[in-house]
Amino acid sequence: AQSVTQLGSHVSVSEGALVLLRCNYSSSVPPYLFWYVQYPNQGLQLLLKYTSAATLVKGINGFEAEFKKSETSFHLTKPSAHMSDAAEYFCAVGSNYQLIWGAGTKLIIKP
Amino acid sequence: DGGITQSPKYLFRKEGQNVTLSCEQNLNHDAMYWYRQDPGQGLRLIYYSQIVNDFQKGDIAEGYSVSREKKESFPLTVTSAQKNPTAFYLCASSPQSSVYEQYFGPGTRLTVT
Repeated sequence: AQSVTQLGSHVSVSEGALVLLRCNYSSSVPPYLFWYVQYPNQGLQLLLKYTSAATLVKGINGFEAEFKKSETSFHLTKPSAHMSDAAEYFCAVGSNYQLIWGAGTKLIIKP
Repeated sequence: DGGITQSPKYLFRKEGQNVTLSCEQNLNHDAMYWYRQDPGQGLRLIYYSQIVNDFQKGDIAEGYSVSREKKESFPLTVTSAQKNPTAFYLCASSPQSSVYEQYFGPGTRLTVT
């Protein structure tokens, strides 16, 4: 069965610092990979997606993610954190018409 | 504006009562989903529907029921058989051409006491 692991339920960075949120997946076939963001008490919003066109994927709000097949990883990064990036981030893999979700990582931005 | 609406935002019920959560979309999407979100557990799929008058159980369907009589609407009933119904419920939809690109409603927070 497919699974998604997000390392760290909480990640804290200073404003202006690099953001790195980790995601590893298990998949025996080329995956469909996604990052979604959830602001407090709201629904989720698609941040970016990997669909095999390019290994480095750019998303909204300055985020990007790199697909590394050898490491089965799809880590999310942003060069410089902003206070408005404080949210929960979910990695997901598409499988059999369903999304398999990671447990989420809450990003905390320190002023 | 196109989107997904869920109502109400907050819902309170007594134990033993059934309650129905509303989900409506005007995105003309074929597929619709219900998820349950609990702290630290990510999203868990309750039911999904790929077409009108058809739906499938997800990972945690026990104690829940759905209907899909119209393309725009996918209500979820939380029955008294659901042992731990207090949670945040999210509805989503997606086009058939890209089922993994899901659009989410704002959610309903259900509290059962």
